[in-house]
Formats: sequence, C-alpha cells, structure tokens
Amino acid sequence: DTGVSQDPRHKITKRGQNVTFRCDPISEHNRLYWYRQTLGQGPEFLTYFQNEAQLEKSRLLSDRFSAERPKGSFSTLEIQRTEQGDSAMYLCASSARQGVYTEAFFGQGTRLTVV
Amino acid sequence: KNQVEQSPQSLIILEGKNCTLQCNYTVSPFSNLRWYKQDTGRGPVSLTIMTFSENTKSNGRYTATLDADTKQSSLHITASQLSDSASYICVPGGDYGQNFVFGPGTRLSVLP
Repeated sequence: DTGVSQDPRHKITKRGQNVTFRCDPISEHNRLYWYRQTLGQGPEFLTYFQNEAQLEKSRLLSDRFSAERPKGSFSTLEIQRTEQGDSAMYLCASSARQGVYTEAFFGQGTRLTVV
Repeated sequence: KNQVEQSPQSLIILEGKNCTLQCNYTVSPFSNLRWYKQDTGRGPVSLTIMTFSENTKSNGRYTATLDADTKQSSLHITASQLSDSASYICVPGGDYGQNFVFGPGTRLSVLP
C-alpha cells in the first residue's frame, strides 16, 4: 500500500452515463497527477495539480473530462457522456515536490469499463 | 516527438535466471530516467531513479544502467523470483507532468 487510495477500484457503466472517480493522496503531498492506462500500454498523462491549482492538462483531456482538487486535498475526475473508448485504468499519483529525485506514489487505479 | 521503445515486448524466464530489459528513448527535456514495476491490476511502483549524469543505479536484485549519449537504458534482474512477474516500464523525462513519458513496458513472466 503506497498511501494513495482510489475509489472505486472498478466501475462498469453504460455508454452515455457520467462517472466520477476519487483520489486521496498522501496527506503531505501537494502535487497530484491523473494518468490513463489502456491494456498493454504505459500510463498517459492527463492532468496535474499543485495544491488546488490545475497547472497542466493533456490534450487527451477532452471537454467531457473535468478534474478538481478542492482545498488541495482529495481530487475527483469526472467523465461525462462516457464512450467505449474511455474504458481504461485511471491512475492517480501524488508527490511532495518537484525535483529529479522526487518520488511519485501511485494508487491502485480505477478500472473503468464502458458497455 | 517524444518516443520510448522497450524490448522485448514480453519475456518468459525460469526462476533463478537473470534477464535484461532494454529501453530506447527520444525525450526532451530529459533530466532523469525511472524504471517502474507494475503488477497486473495495480499501480506502478518505482524501482530506480537516475539523473542524466548517472550511469548505474541498483535496488536489490535490480540494476539499471543509463547511457544518456545514446539515449539507452537497461534494467537487469538477477536471480529472478516468481514475484518478479510483472510489467517493467521505462520512464525518461523531466518532471511528472507532460514531460514524463511512460514507455509501453516489457511483460516479464517468471516460471517455476
């Protein structure tokens, strides 16, 4: 257990429905990242927060995706009008600060299946 | 365009044997390279971190090498164990944001 928790672990939804995932980072970490991973591929960057500010967003993050980190603690990732192509593992990671030796700790992910 | 290639795509070895996984990359900016281990259905766990000026870094039975001139890295696993069965992902780049590029991984299976 890395100390980063994600909820739910698994989610099955019908196409067109909205889903929301939650990530609780390690409490003293001010940076939080979201990644998406499809089968057989490495994680792809979606977005990251420093405290409550969303500093970077990937072009993978279409307007159906929105992420928040109110009060700089937990974060949510919402996908509206889900599509089958959204089926993937959504990973959250947190780190304390920037630096070449900065360690980011990943949660166990939320597996989304859109049927 | 940032690119990371890993070889082989998959590998099967017997318990107790050694193996070496390869990573070739074209990533900018580049300041460090990480190797991660990812068990099926779990998040990645860091094995080693090397800056561009380091040539080798060990973590128990795992030894990573880096040649920043040729943009190549390798991960050597010694005396493999069944628990080493996982995907091993090479991650060259800068910080954890856009410039942190995960490779596709090598799927290692260790058989008894």
